[in-house]
Amino acid sequence: NAGVTQTPKFRVLKTGQSMTLLCAQDMNHEYMYWYRQDPGMGLRLIHYSVGEGTTAKGEVPDGYNVSRLKKQNFLLGLESAAPSQTSVYFCASSTPTDPATNEKLFFGSGTQLSVL
Amino acid sequence: QQQVKQSPQSLIVQKGGISIINCAYENTAFDYFPWYQQFPGKGPALLIAIRPDVSEKKEGRFTISFNKSAKQFSLHIMDSQPGDSATYFCAASMGSGGYQKVTFGTGTKLQVIP
Repeated sequence: NAGVTQTPKFRVLKTGQSMTLLCAQDMNHEYMYWYRQDPGMGLRLIHYSVGEGTTAKGEVPDGYNVSRLKKQNFLLGLESAAPSQTSVYFCASSTPTDPATNEKLFFGSGTQLSVL
Repeated sequence: QQQVKQSPQSLIVQKGGISIINCAYENTAFDYFPWYQQFPGKGPALLIAIRPDVSEKKEGRFTISFNKSAKQFSLHIMDSQPGDSATYFCAASMGSGGYQKVTFGTGTKLQVIP
C-alpha cells in the first residue's frame, strides 16, 4: 500500500516557468490538501479538495492553481514561478468515513522546489 | 496571524532525558490537537493526538498534557532516544468528522545526543 505519492521529488525552475506537481493516493480518501513548508513557518495550506471536481482556497493560495479531475489525484500548478515559491510542497489526504482515522492527515514525502 | 505558537524552535536532549515541547493556541473552536513527527526527507506523520475534554494522553514514551483554561498543550518524550531526533509539529484543528481545517505550529527540531 503506497499511501500518498508525490512526483517529482525535486525540481528547479527559472522565474516565470510553469510546472505541475502531481499527488496520487491509493486509500480512496475523499479529502486532499496541498501544503507548503518553509523554515520557521510550519506548514501552510495552499488549496484543498473535499471531493472529485471540487477545490477551495487555503491560507496561501496566490500564485497556485489546483485540479482534482479524479478522486485519487490532486494536481498543484504554478503558472509563472517566482523565487518566493521556493519551498517544500507536501500533499496530504484524509477521510471522514473511518472513525479511527477521520481526523488524521496522511502526508506524502514532499517535493523540493527551487525557483531561481 | 499565527494561531498556534510553538516553542522552543530547537532542542537538544541527552539520551534518557525528557524532551518537552510547548504549544499555545488562540481559537477556542479548535477541537482536536495532534502532534506530527517528521524525519528528514519525509512527510509529517501523526504521532499522538488529544481532544480538549481530557487533560492528558499517554502512548508509550509520548505524553500530551492539555490545559484548556490556559489554552496550552505540550508534548513530553520520556527516556528520549537518538531515534526520536526529528522535527515535531503541534497542530490544532476544527471540523470533527469531516474536512479538517488544521493550523500547524512552526515546528521544533529535536536532537537527542548519546
